[in-house]
Amino acid sequence: QKEVEQNSGPLSVPEGAIASLNCTYSDRGSQSFFWYRQYSGKSPELIMFIYSNGDKEDGRFTAQLNKASQYVSLLIRDSQPSDSATYLCAVTSGGSYIPTFGRGTSLIVHP
Amino acid sequence: DAEITQSPRHKITETGRQVTLACHQTWNHNNMFWYRQDLGHGLRLIHYSYGVHDTNKGEVSDGYSVSRSNTEDLPLTLESAASSQTSVYFCASSEGLGDSYEQYFGPGTRLTVT
Repeated sequence: QKEVEQNSGPLSVPEGAIASLNCTYSDRGSQSFFWYRQYSGKSPELIMFIYSNGDKEDGRFTAQLNKASQYVSLLIRDSQPSDSATYLCAVTSGGSYIPTFGRGTSLIVHP
Repeated sequence: DAEITQSPRHKITETGRQVTLACHQTWNHNNMFWYRQDLGHGLRLIHYSYGVHDTNKGEVSDGYSVSRSNTEDLPLTLESAASSQTSVYFCASSEGLGDSYEQYFGPGTRLTVT
């Protein structure tokens, strides 16, 4: 069974710091990796996706993928209180269009 | 702008009633999905469709059905609502072409079964 694991948190960081969110997955055939942000009472919002080993940067967000170690991480630089949310990791494999979602990590950015 | 909408946003119904939740997308995406999200369980897949007239069961499909008569809509029907189906329901879509796997979610429907 394909599994995607995330620490539920909460991860608490001060404003302006780097928040580091981690996700591990069990299926070595995994090909596509996604990070969603979900504010309380709202729907998941896609913020990053990464397909290749290495780093991918988009503004204050950086996704890092290491297929050999089977983990993907999301770094948020200059964290803001508005970044406080639950971050969901999702993984697809074998050409499937159905992702496996982790249960999410709660991030709290305090002023 | 293209979008995905759900209606109603909130619904209260009684046990045993049939309920239909609507999902409409203007992305022209081939793939559409229904999830439920509950505390302690995360997102769970109910049903999905890869195109018109195609439907497939997800991991928690019992008590639910879908039909896909056009590209834009995938309504979710609860045949006989049960209290265990009280949840937040999200519809999502993805392009379904080549290497494009990312999903986009609707705003959700909060369903309460009393």
